Amino acid sequence: AQKITQTQPGMFVQEKEAVTLDCTYDTSDQSYGLFWYKQPSSGEMIFLIYQGSYDEQNATEGRYSLNFQKARKSANLVISASQLGDSAMYFCAMRETDSNYQLIWGAGTKLIIKP
Amino acid sequence: NAGVTQTPKFQVLKTGQSMTLQCAQDMNHEYMSWYRQDPGMGLRLIHYSVGAGITDQGEVPNGYNVSRSTTEDFPLRLLSAAPSQTSVYFCASSDPGHPNQPQHFGDGTRLSIL
Repeated sequence: AQKITQTQPGMFVQEKEAVTLDCTYDTSDQSYGLFWYKQPSSGEMIFLIYQGSYDEQNATEGRYSLNFQKARKSANLVISASQLGDSAMYFCAMRETDSNYQLIWGAGTKLIIKP
Repeated sequence: NAGVTQTPKFQVLKTGQSMTLQCAQDMNHEYMSWYRQDPGMGLRLIHYSVGAGITDQGEVPNGYNVSRSTTEDFPLRLLSAAPSQTSVYFCASSDPGHPNQPQHFGDGTRLSIL
């Protein structure tokens, strides 16, 4: 069974609209962390935002926020006021406590912002 | 701020050749890892290391060797290149003492095996 599922292979969004990228995860650990990365067409991996399983508030970083629903095991990335430069692949990843610090990666969502 | 440095950025090999992809980090991170990314896919872990002298296999280790003689360096060796190893390779590092800190990535090596 997949531990990280990103159900949207691709999305088109109009510029300036908000967009939600889905991520669900599967773990039996009580302590874990969830990460989102952006990969533009140039290829580099850019860290966006982190959510710890014990964090009481949803993480926010500028225009990025996490809609963290622990009971549903989902950690959706919300990008507000999308920009053309947001067009990229977005990956969700999870680090479990006993994983030897490894990250488990989703397959990614390709986001295209339309002008 | 060098971070994680990978060399080379591009490489073309013939089937059967061997080569080493270099990775160095200057953040004193204990954890380092190698991933491969095939077109349109996510990252798959090849090998990882939790400190100098310690390495372990990831999801797709076959055909690759690693060593970790220093904290800074974590080279990946292709023993006998095969077309199936055509991919983009990323090296990453992180500080396991701070689990909320992200993995830092190099810019990647685009490898083509003919």
